[in-house]
Amino acid sequence: DTAVSQTPKYLVTQMGNDKSIKCEQNLGHDTMYWYKQDSKKFLKIMFSYNNKELIINETVPNRFSPKSPDKAHLNLHINSLELGDSAVYFCASSLLSGGAWNEQFFGPGTRLTVL
Amino acid sequence: AQSVTQPDIHITVSEGASLELRCNYSYGATPYLFWYVQSPGQGLQLLLKYFSGDTLVQGIKGFEAEFKRSQSSFNLRKPSVHWSDAAEYFCAVGATGGATNKLIFGTGTLLAVQP
Repeated sequence: DTAVSQTPKYLVTQMGNDKSIKCEQNLGHDTMYWYKQDSKKFLKIMFSYNNKELIINETVPNRFSPKSPDKAHLNLHINSLELGDSAVYFCASSLLSGGAWNEQFFGPGTRLTVL
Repeated sequence: AQSVTQPDIHITVSEGASLELRCNYSYGATPYLFWYVQSPGQGLQLLLKYFSGDTLVQGIKGFEAEFKRSQSSFNLRKPSVHWSDAAEYFCAVGATGGATNKLIFGTGTLLAVQP
């Protein structure tokens, strides 16, 4: 059973299009994350949701809009795609417990290529 | 500000040789520290973590890491490298505070293994 899954695995699209990436976790976690890995392999957090509520938004352009319909799902919608959006997007999940740290489990990633 | 530095962008070792990957962090409180490995085209796998206690931590695949507070370091080691260890290695610090719980990654070290 896949713990954190993402669809699609690969996404190739034209500049200006709108696209979505989906993430689902079956670990019973209450917190989900989106990380972006750029062409130089640098990983940076974009968003985090706890119990469907946005708790981290790391100065990401408004074109990126996360949506969490329930605790097990966190989707990422991107409007008006730009060349610089080309990257690998990783979803992760964990339990959030008041200052303590719980391991974050990562999905396999979605490689987005904007032409 | 919290940050992680991995001074070595690329390291090549011979199979069977020992390995040490360097990681330095900047964090105000006692850090949660992690090493992740990313094989080509794959997601992130947790190798080991340090939360507290014994400063020498053991991980999967024969890896270990030592936390040195005085040097703000958390170097990853393996006594004998296998060809399958060729991958990208990321050091990360876990930042907690109120409702936030995020990983801050270093820029990664690409490990190549020579036969």
